[in-house]
Amino acid sequence: DADVTQTPRNRITKTGKRIMLECSQTKGHDRMYWYRQDPGLGLRLIYYSFDVKDINKGEISDGYSVSRQAQAKFSLSLESAIPNQTALYFCATSDTTGTVGINEQFFGPGTRLTVL
Amino acid sequence: DAKTTQPTSMDCAEGRAANLPCNHSTISGNEYVYWYRQIHSQGPQYIIHGLKNNETNEMASLIITEDRKSSTLILPHATLRDTAVYYCIVRVEGGSTLGRLYFGRGTQLTVWP
Repeated sequence: DADVTQTPRNRITKTGKRIMLECSQTKGHDRMYWYRQDPGLGLRLIYYSFDVKDINKGEISDGYSVSRQAQAKFSLSLESAIPNQTALYFCATSDTTGTVGINEQFFGPGTRLTVL
Repeated sequence: DAKTTQPTSMDCAEGRAANLPCNHSTISGNEYVYWYRQIHSQGPQYIIHGLKNNETNEMASLIITEDRKSSTLILPHATLRDTAVYYCIVRVEGGSTLGRLYFGRGTQLTVWP
């Protein structure tokens, strides 16, 4: 969905480096999420935020941190990247006022991260 | 949240109906059934959701059994562009963990010419 953008789209880095993945949305949604996807598996939730002052851990938050700089921006950081964090990362948004409700999430195009 | 069981893969001829099953035998009364799909490494896309009644939209139909322990997503006239992984998810619409979606491995649907 073009309303949710992620940068960078691809990144190769080395073990121990700090990496930040950024997500921006123009949908005006209050809720934002970070997921990771490993080959052949479904998505797993890393962190989620219901508004600027609200940050929550997901299933697999160890090794990650997030920042909600504004309603439209939600960044994911890997403080010291390790090879098993090589994955496809997705940002998503949702809104409580839509007809489907908060479980209709709109996903960005993904960031492919490789940690060597 | 209730767990779901889906076949690993299915295939379908172009132009025919694709029927994707999902078992959710432990679903509770306030849990909805959601379907998403993911086209090769793109972000997942919402398709449809329902609670008890059958639902239809421009993309698909959702048939939920009377006991709600299983459901079927129907793509009435599958096209090559429908080749994707389809995820069946059951979720409470609200609650303390509202908005969190749990994706399993889904069903890889391949539509062939």
